[in-house]
Amino acid sequence: QPVLTQSSSASASLGSSVKLTCTLSSGHSSYIIAWHQQQPGKAPRYLMKLEGSGSYNKGSGVPDRFSGSSSGADRYLTISNLQSEDEADYYCETWDSNTHWVFGGGTKLTVL
Amino acid sequence: QVQLVQSGAEVKKPGASVKVSCKASGYTFTSYGISWVRQAPGQGLEWMGWISAYNGNTNYAQKLQGRVTMTTDTSTSTAYMELRSLRSDDTAVYYCARVTRASPIDYWGQGTLVTVSS
Repeated sequence: QPVLTQSSSASASLGSSVKLTCTLSSGHSSYIIAWHQQQPGKAPRYLMKLEGSGSYNKGSGVPDRFSGSSSGADRYLTISNLQSEDEADYYCETWDSNTHWVFGGGTKLTVL
Repeated sequence: QVQLVQSGAEVKKPGASVKVSCKASGYTFTSYGISWVRQAPGQGLEWMGWISAYNGNTNYAQKLQGRVTMTTDTSTSTAYMELRSLRSDDTAVYYCARVTRASPIDYWGQGTLVTVSS
């Protein structure tokens, strides 16, 4: 089954952009993933589904500032014009044909 | 709109069992599955298992095999997760989430805190 690897932390300034990375394990570079945001003390929120082609579909109400892209086994979440409310943990998720789901370890984003 | 509403917080003693419910609304319940995910204090998300609301098929995370049972009641569009032989390291917030076999989680419940303490 696939393994997802994320950096444990990232930081960027208010109003700037940040690009978070989720890397799929060897042999799983074509997998679709999803990005989820978890603000402090809240349940996770689905942001988008992201394919290996770079095509993505966002969830309802997700601001235009959030976008996705892909390169090989890497899946990216880019947040533009960072706002204070974007300070959160971001998780990537995928699943396999055996109905087994897996999460990355999460990236804690700090907005400076 | 799609909603997943979970039951309230629980406090249990080691060795006991807990059953968390997740009531779905705003979509055709049997067209999707439910995954259960937990998050220990200060930790990341851990997938626990999946159940098809269509036919009741399940797939559990290996580390929980034998202790967890997931069920659904299609008459009330409710999913249940029961965890037995509770230990202190089962203390976590438990989430239900909507999935299909061909797509990721797209909606989450609000979470249920389960505290295991003597």
